[in-house]
Amino acid sequence: QKEVEQDPGPLSVPEGAIVSLNCTYSNSAFQYFMWYRQYSRKGPELLMYTYSSGNKEDGRFTAQVDKSSKYISLFIRDSQPSDSATYLCAMSGWDFGNEKLTFGTGTRLTIIP
Amino acid sequence: NAGVTQTPKFRVLKTGQSMTLLCAQDMNHEYMYWYRQDPGMGLRLIHYSVGEGTTAKGEVPDGYNVSRLKKQNFLLGLESAAPSQTSVYFCASSSGYGYTFGSGTRLTVV
Repeated sequence: QKEVEQDPGPLSVPEGAIVSLNCTYSNSAFQYFMWYRQYSRKGPELLMYTYSSGNKEDGRFTAQVDKSSKYISLFIRDSQPSDSATYLCAMSGWDFGNEKLTFGTGTRLTIIP
Repeated sequence: NAGVTQTPKFRVLKTGQSMTLLCAQDMNHEYMYWYRQDPGMGLRLIHYSVGEGTTAKGEVPDGYNVSRLKKQNFLLGLESAAPSQTSVYFCASSSGYGYTFGSGTRLTVV
């Protein structure tokens, strides 16, 4: 079993819809949770960074963490064609002072105009 | 501010050839990483470094070597390339609050 599970999609939704992306994890040592966005033929870029359980909002994006269920989500409101990308969840535990991230395999999202 | 710069961006190698991928960061980050990304496999850690002069193995280190002689540079070497090393390689650096990635190197081994 992988430490981090993410539905690979692909996921296609019409412009303006609310998008929900999810990951589950098995390692209780994970403390920090991130979402990265990766456009085609580009490197991943950090989108959201959270620590505790609960919600964190940034514009149209909301990251949700439920540590008791080992489940994280990313919600995108009023989705735009420019949101079309692959979204990777990532989780961090600290090992001898080194931040080591474990990534999900990514969900490919397409917003249809 | 360049962030993380990877060179080259594309390369085609013949089986058995060697090459070095260069990663340079200008953010004074302590931690640097090399990943490979393959369809359906996600990002897999090859090697990483927690500071100048230090390196450590990641999840898939076989066939690769690394060096970090200067804090800002992290080199990934392939001594004898194999077709299984065809992939997109990403370098990343971190200060402990998420990674900054380079734009990647697309490597094809024929």
